Amino acid sequence: EAAVTQSPRNKVAVTGGKVTLSCNQTNNHNNMYWYRQDTGHGLRLIHYSYGAGSTEKGDIPDGYKASRPSQENFSLILELATPSQTSVYFCASGASGTGGPEVFFGKGTRLTVV
Amino acid sequence: GDSVTQTEGLVTLTKGLPVMLNCTYQTTYSPFLFWYVQHLNEAPKLLLKSSTDNKRTEHQGFYATLHKSSSSFHLQKSSVQLSDSALYFCASGTGGYKVVFGSGTRLLVSP
Repeated sequence: EAAVTQSPRNKVAVTGGKVTLSCNQTNNHNNMYWYRQDTGHGLRLIHYSYGAGSTEKGDIPDGYKASRPSQENFSLILELATPSQTSVYFCASGASGTGGPEVFFGKGTRLTVV
Repeated sequence: GDSVTQTEGLVTLTKGLPVMLNCTYQTTYSPFLFWYVQHLNEAPKLLLKSSTDNKRTEHQGFYATLHKSSSSFHLQKSSVQLSDSALYFCASGTGGYKVVFGSGTRLLVSP
């Protein structure tokens, strides 16, 4: 089964601080994604990537940066964390092709900004 | 841009009854449609998917039919069980990279 690992699983950050969420996948998938999950909003796409060195803005990119240094790794960076960024963040990977962009999720990171 | 709409935030049912969770989508290109299920404190997992118009897709007792004429992909089950209590997401992808999710429908099944 597809393996996506996120770290840390829980994080408490201070307002104005820098936060980096990391994601590693061992599936050799081209595509990787960062979503945040909030009650009433479902899963919202922050950034995604279709290969090493690429990053694309999703639907809610403001306040976030992303980095894809390799096929396996995709990071989400909050340069100046704010309380409104308190949420659960999911990383996912997926392969393009005839089977459709099915995604496989990591277990999530719970971020609290105080 | 692409979007997915789930109209019900919460559906509560008694065990053994049928259920239908609504999903409509708006995309520029011909899409793949997915249903994901998320149990409490777990990651979302794929339940079923389709890209074929008017063909029923089934998995674990759940089924859905993609209707491109009405841009719909509703999830159904004939008899819900307590273990079906979870958060269900409809999602759309266009064969490339971007996958967009709906806001989710929480299904609560009571004894």
